[in-house]
Amino acid sequence: DQQVKQNSPSLSVQEGRISILNCDYTNSMFDYFLWYKKYPAEGPTFLISISSIKDKNEDGRFTVFLNKSAKHLSLHIVPSQPGDSAVYFCAASANYGGSQGNLIFGKGTKLSVKP
Amino acid sequence: DAGVTQSPTHLIKTRGQQVTLRCSPKSGHDTVSWYQQALGQGPQFIFQYYEEEERQRGNFPDRFSGHQFPNYSSELNVNALLLGDSALYLCASSLFGGAEQYFGPGTRLTVT
Repeated sequence: DQQVKQNSPSLSVQEGRISILNCDYTNSMFDYFLWYKKYPAEGPTFLISISSIKDKNEDGRFTVFLNKSAKHLSLHIVPSQPGDSAVYFCAASANYGGSQGNLIFGKGTKLSVKP
Repeated sequence: DAGVTQSPTHLIKTRGQQVTLRCSPKSGHDTVSWYQQALGQGPQFIFQYYEEEERQRGNFPDRFSGHQFPNYSSELNVNALLLGDSALYLCASSLFGGAEQYFGPGTRLTVT
């Protein structure tokens, strides 16, 4: 049973436009959410995170929105650049023994930004 | 400031053999987690080490075991390798209690 779902395997966007990547989760115990970017033959690179007590977190061109009632989060990239082309993973964690536990990942969305 | 490092980069083993993968955490980090990533999937949690003890474990058989050393580096051992163990093995480090984990480049294990 997938607790973190990324329903779009791929997304294609024109350079300069907005990229919106979506993620849904089922476990209401999740209280921290993260986005990672992964290039081929490299490990995932941490991008941005958000705590469940917030509904928005922004870092430069990247903004993550959290809708707890819908159990949905999204990553907005504005403006998109060709170097953003990669696989993006959504991940979630819950409190475990007084600290954050393991990360549970979605299957990823492959973003292609066309020049 | 060195990030997370892993060795070796690639490894080819025969079914039934044993393998050891190594990880050095990012400077200042004290917690190490291991993940398995199959093709087309997201990383799956194997276990996490803190203070040289296994703190949390995912749904992996006992053939998967680990160790953390006093300098916070870690090893992942897999015994009696199966063809299905072929995957990218990722090590991630963090500060204990923090959710943000930083990943190494991974070790690509191929079992033939």
